[in-house]
Amino acid sequence: KNEVEQSPQNLTAQEGEFITINCSYSVGISALHWLQQHPGGGIVSLFMLSSGKKKHGRLIATINIQEKHSSLHITASHPRDSAVYICAVLLIQGAQKLVFGQGTRLTINP
Amino acid sequence: ETGVTQSPTHLIKTRGQQVTLRCSSQSGHNTVSWYQQALGQGPQFIFQYYREEENGRGNFPPRFSGLQFPNYSSELNVNALELDDSALYLCASRTGGRTEAFFGQGTRLTVV
Repeated sequence: KNEVEQSPQNLTAQEGEFITINCSYSVGISALHWLQQHPGGGIVSLFMLSSGKKKHGRLIATINIQEKHSSLHITASHPRDSAVYICAVLLIQGAQKLVFGQGTRLTINP
Repeated sequence: ETGVTQSPTHLIKTRGQQVTLRCSSQSGHNTVSWYQQALGQGPQFIFQYYREEENGRGNFPPRFSGLQFPNYSSELNVNALELDDSALYLCASRTGGRTEAFFGQGTRLTVV
């Protein structure tokens, strides 16, 4: 079992829909990152969370440390939101490396 | 703009050759980690350097090696390239003890 699991793996929705992507982890972490990756590969950091909730524009990220779970929400989704969204956790033990989820491929149709 | 620059952006090599990928981090980022992302997969941890010493390694063979330099740049070297080494290689840097990480745009390596 992977240390970081995302769901769903693929998500297709219509423009305007509310989107939720989930991330569960099984290890102790000091922070969790939500990342966006467009075709071509470059990664953009959307949020870094260690507790609570953050909002930036139409994006909202929440984390529940006790339940080891985080969600990324997109309100009023738009075709330009189509990308792969990746959850990555910074381990609290050892070398404190980043461990990535496998990503969620989001497609928003007009 | 993350302040983390990888070069080259794309590279094609022949099986058996050697390759060096580079990552230039922000000043003060004394921790750099490298990841391999195969098509359709999440990035996999290769290794991490802290103050020019390797302090963590994933499940990659010894032909994957690295260096970190005092000017906050680093290298990933891969010897005896195999077809399965074709992937996007990402570096991430941060200041040790801090949680915010900054990501390069990646180097896409194709081995033919």
